[in-house]
Amino acid sequence: ELKVEQNPLFLSMQEGKNYTIYCNYSTTSDRLYWYRQDPGKSLESLFVLLSNGAVKQEGRLMASLDTKARLSTLHITAAVHDLSATYFCAVDPNSGGSNYKLTFGKGTLLTVNP
Amino acid sequence: DAGVTQSPTHLIKTRGQHVTLRCSPISGHKSVSWYQQVLGQGPQFIFQYYEKEERGRGNFPDRFSARQFPNYSSELNVNALLLGDSALYLCASSLTGVNTEAFFGQGTRLTVV
Repeated sequence: ELKVEQNPLFLSMQEGKNYTIYCNYSTTSDRLYWYRQDPGKSLESLFVLLSNGAVKQEGRLMASLDTKARLSTLHITAAVHDLSATYFCAVDPNSGGSNYKLTFGKGTLLTVNP
Repeated sequence: DAGVTQSPTHLIKTRGQHVTLRCSPISGHKSVSWYQQVLGQGPQFIFQYYEKEERGRGNFPDRFSARQFPNYSSELNVNALLLGDSALYLCASSLTGVNTEAFFGQGTRLTVV
């Protein structure tokens, strides 16, 4: 059974600081996704990582994927209050095609303080 | 373009009742998946349908069932509701193939009392 572990689960940081969220998973996969969720809202897609060594950046967020280590990171640069949310990583063990199933981590609740 | 739409947005039911949740995928998407998100947890996979066929099922009891219609919309049914079924139910639609991602609807908040 695929397991996805995120750490930390809770992250309180000051504005302007940098930090990294880690996502480890237990079985071979080269399809990993990062989502953001605001309280009471649905999931917003942030990054789609589909190959080993993939790196994507959007604003203050950068995500990377190391399929050999079964590890993805979400790096936050110079945090601002608007980034406060819960961040989930999700893994799809299928190789594409018509089967699609995501296994999510427990999420990282990020609070950015002034 | 319309995203994934779900109805209703909120629902309160009594234990033992039955509930039907509905989802319309993004136009052109033939795959629909359902997830349950209990407060404070990540979403858990319930079902995936593609071309009206069930392609995957998570570890949920038989009280949970779903179907997909010819227009690719989908329904999730839950019978004999328990308090523990209270959650946000998310529907996601996607294209199929290697380079694809799931787009989520706003969810249905189900409260069982």
